[in-house]
Amino acid sequence: KAGVTQTPRYLIKTRGQQVTLSCSPISGHRSVSWYQQTPGQGLQFLFEYFSETQRNKGNFPGRFSGRQFSNSRSEMNVSTLELGDSALYLCASSLNGYGKNIQYFGAGTRLSVL
Amino acid sequence: GIQVEQSPPDLILQEGANSTLRCNFSDSVNNLQWFHQNPWGQLINLFYIPSGTKQNGRLSATTVATERYSLLYISSSQTTDSGVYFCAVLGSNDYKLSFGAGTTVTVRA
Repeated sequence: KAGVTQTPRYLIKTRGQQVTLSCSPISGHRSVSWYQQTPGQGLQFLFEYFSETQRNKGNFPGRFSGRQFSNSRSEMNVSTLELGDSALYLCASSLNGYGKNIQYFGAGTRLSVL
Repeated sequence: GIQVEQSPPDLILQEGANSTLRCNFSDSVNNLQWFHQNPWGQLINLFYIPSGTKQNGRLSATTVATERYSLLYISSSQTTDSGVYFCAVLGSNDYKLSFGAGTTVTVRA
């Protein structure tokens, strides 16, 4: 069974641009969560999608958005990039996101904003 | 949300040594996972262990849910064990993993 796939692996953007990251979950998993990892803040929750609906959202500005498609693949978008958005973005998939479900992570997308 | 504290923050080991990493959490949990973050950033699942004891090769883990802590044991450490180890928990009424700050392990040959 294929693992969680994130594309692209690396991105370099300039301030003010926008970016879209993609995450394909493990087959059969319906929940996809996104996390941002920075040296100063550690791993922080962005949002979670289940059956094409955003169920939960972390404490990030509206520039961060996402969506989920009918095949459970998810995208996250960051508009008007700022230097502070430079981070490793990780996505996790699980069967339904709650309770006793193991979360599996992708390899991440490393975003650098210049 | 649930608070997760990991200790020690840094650990330097000689190859072949044993070590124990600790994770304390502030509330009851449905899910507790240990991860190893490789140099490229991927979080590798080590254990799913909301309670009890598990072993996988040179690694083992114990979670005492009633006392709200978990331990990760590394025996006969190898240089490939180097990296950051994270403990993450999902609370009973929670929807997101709460991560500790991690323990950075350096194994020297």
